[in-house]
Amino acid sequence: AQSVTQLDSQVPVFEEAPVELRCNYSSSVSVYLFWYVQYPNQGLQLLLKYLSGSTLVKGINGFEAEFNKSQTSFHLRKPSVHISDTAEYFCAVSQYTGFQKLVFGTGTRLLVSP
Amino acid sequence: EAGVAQSPRYKIIEKRQSVAFWCNPISGHATLYWYQQILGQGPKLLIQFQNNGVVDDSQLPKDRFSAERLKGVDSTLKIQPAKLEDSAVYLCASSLEQDYNSPLHFGNGTRLTVT
Repeated sequence: AQSVTQLDSQVPVFEEAPVELRCNYSSSVSVYLFWYVQYPNQGLQLLLKYLSGSTLVKGINGFEAEFNKSQTSFHLRKPSVHISDTAEYFCAVSQYTGFQKLVFGTGTRLLVSP
Repeated sequence: EAGVAQSPRYKIIEKRQSVAFWCNPISGHATLYWYQQILGQGPKLLIQFQNNGVVDDSQLPKDRFSAERLKGVDSTLKIQPAKLEDSAVYLCASSLEQDYNSPLHFGNGTRLTVT
């Protein structure tokens, strides 16, 4: 079975500063990796995903993530955050089962202040 | 396009009562998911439908939870009887297909409080 660890429950950062949200996964087989974002009082939406190919994945709103197989990590980064990036970010993993079965981490709350 | 619709938005019930949640996925989406999100935890898949057939319900507590997706469109999730530990946000999601190139679209969820 696979699992996801998001090491930081909350990350405070000032506007225009860079940010990295950490995600590590555990799986005995190859996996697909995802980042979802949940803005206040809204449902989750897909930020980016890694299925195969280039290990650097670019997503919406200027976010990117890098898949590191040796370190079993999929950290999310943004070079300069905005107030509007304040949200909960969830890392998720799925095995190659033929259909999506996402296992989510516990989430990281990104708090951007002026 | 209209998003995934869920109702009610909030529900408060006493333990041992029953409750039902409704979900209307995005038009044309074949795959529908119900997730349970307990406070401080990530969403956990309860059940997944492909059209009106169940793909995965391995984590659904079948002694008290049930779900159906009649005609392969709307879906309802029922809890009977409810326990205190069922307090959570219940999220419905849909995707065009069940493969990995089809992102999940989530509704805003139903927040259930069991007292």
